[in-house]
Amino acid sequence: KNEVEQSPQNLTAQEGEFITINCSYSVGISALHWLQQHPGGGIVSLFMLSSGKKKHGRLIATINIQEKHSSLHITASHPRDSAVYICAAPKDGNQFYFGTGTSLTVIP
Amino acid sequence: NAGVTQTPKFQVLKTGQSMTLQCAQDMNHNSMYWYRQDPGMGLRLIYYSASEGTTDKGEVPNGYNVSRLNKREFSLRLESAAPSQTSVYFCASSEWYRLEDTQYFGPGTRLTVL
Repeated sequence: KNEVEQSPQNLTAQEGEFITINCSYSVGISALHWLQQHPGGGIVSLFMLSSGKKKHGRLIATINIQEKHSSLHITASHPRDSAVYICAAPKDGNQFYFGTGTSLTVIP
Repeated sequence: NAGVTQTPKFQVLKTGQSMTLQCAQDMNHNSMYWYRQDPGMGLRLIYYSASEGTTDKGEVPNGYNVSRLNKREFSLRLESAAPSQTSVYFCASSEWYRLEDTQYFGPGTRLTVL
C-alpha cells in the first residue's frame, strides 16, 4: 500500500499546454512537498505547502488537506519543464513518504 | 557554494566488494540523509543523521552502514555489495530535522553491482 499516489505516471504534452499532476495521500499531514527531478538526475525542492495555493513562476501548487489531495499545475509548458515531478508527505521529523513520480515530457 | 556534493558519480562493483560513498555539504546544515532510488519506486531513506554525532536507521538500512564524520560529511558504506544494491544513491541535507526544512539533494551516485 502506497501512502502517496501520483497520477498520471507518464505525461506527454505539446509546448504551451496547461499541465496538471495529481497527488493523493492516505496519511494525516499538515503540509506536502513537491520536488522536481531533472533528466540528469538532480532533485530540487519546488514547494512546501500546507494550505491553499503557492505560485512560483509558471508553476502553481494547490492542496486540500481535508480531501488529502494536491495538484501541481504548469502553465504555458516548455520543453525545459520535462522532468519527473515527485510529491512527498511528511512522516515524522524530516522524513517523508515519497510518491513514485510523474514523468513529464513536453514536446516542442 | 557547491551545495551537496557526492563522490563518485558512477561505480561498478562485483558482488562481495565493499565501497564507501562520500557526501559533503557546505551549507552548515545540521541534518543529512542517504536515499536510494529504484525504478518504479519512490525515494527510500536508508539512514539519516539528525545532527552531528547521531545516526539513525531509515526505511531500508540492511546492508549499509553510515558515518557522520563531522558536520559537513556523511558517508555510506556497503560492506559486501549485492546485486540488490544496484541503485542510484542520493545524499541530502537540511538545516534542521524539522518538517518545514527543505532538503537539498546531491547529484547522485549510480551504482551497479554485478
